[in-house]
Amino acid sequence: EAEVAQSPRYKITEKSQAVAFWCDPISGHATLYWYRQILGQGPELLVQFQDESVVDDSQLPKDRFSAERLKGVDSTLKIQPAELGDSAMYLCASSLGIGQGGGSETQYFGPGTRLLVL
Amino acid sequence: GNSVTQMEGPVTLSEEAFLTINCTYTATGYPSLFWYVQYPGEGLQLLLKATKADDKGSNKGFEATYRKETTSFHLEKGSVQVSDSAVYFCALNPNDYKLSFGAGTTVTVRA
Repeated sequence: EAEVAQSPRYKITEKSQAVAFWCDPISGHATLYWYRQILGQGPELLVQFQDESVVDDSQLPKDRFSAERLKGVDSTLKIQPAELGDSAMYLCASSLGIGQGGGSETQYFGPGTRLLVL
Repeated sequence: GNSVTQMEGPVTLSEEAFLTINCTYTATGYPSLFWYVQYPGEGLQLLLKATKADDKGSNKGFEATYRKETTSFHLEKGSVQVSDSAVYFCALNPNDYKLSFGAGTTVTVRA
């Protein structure tokens, strides 16, 4: 069964350093999502791509976070500089794409990257 | 705005007990409703979903019915197993591709 791949699985960094996370969605999935999950809470959407275009980044802290999906396939989420409050699980998800099922469309999640900022 | 409220955990049960996790939502229009499960150290997996009122989603012995009149989507399982120990998330999508999640309910099943 196809899966969403993420790396690294764990990342420890010091505050003010730069970190980057990588995601490879399920083949053929046009829509890619990055979520942040703080311990004890549900995931919150950071950014959504349709192919290589950003559809929604309204919750992305753009002063320090950036995301790209240059060829419309895999994606990178970067934090620079990292702050203590960025410690969380970063989840990537993918789905077939806008127009393929609307709000009923299933999003498939990767295993996540757990970030600890010291 | 759109929001999901889940029963607070943690919930601890014995094997073969009946499980209910309450979920209510606030949304405009007719959202799709989902239950996702997160096993320790893993990402979220779709457990079941329902896309319109009175639909029942079911999977792996779990069921949930979309109740528009009570804006609810409670999760139930008749006989839980140790392997059902996980965090369960209720979520809605108001047809704009944005999932809104509840805070999650941690379920522990003892042998």
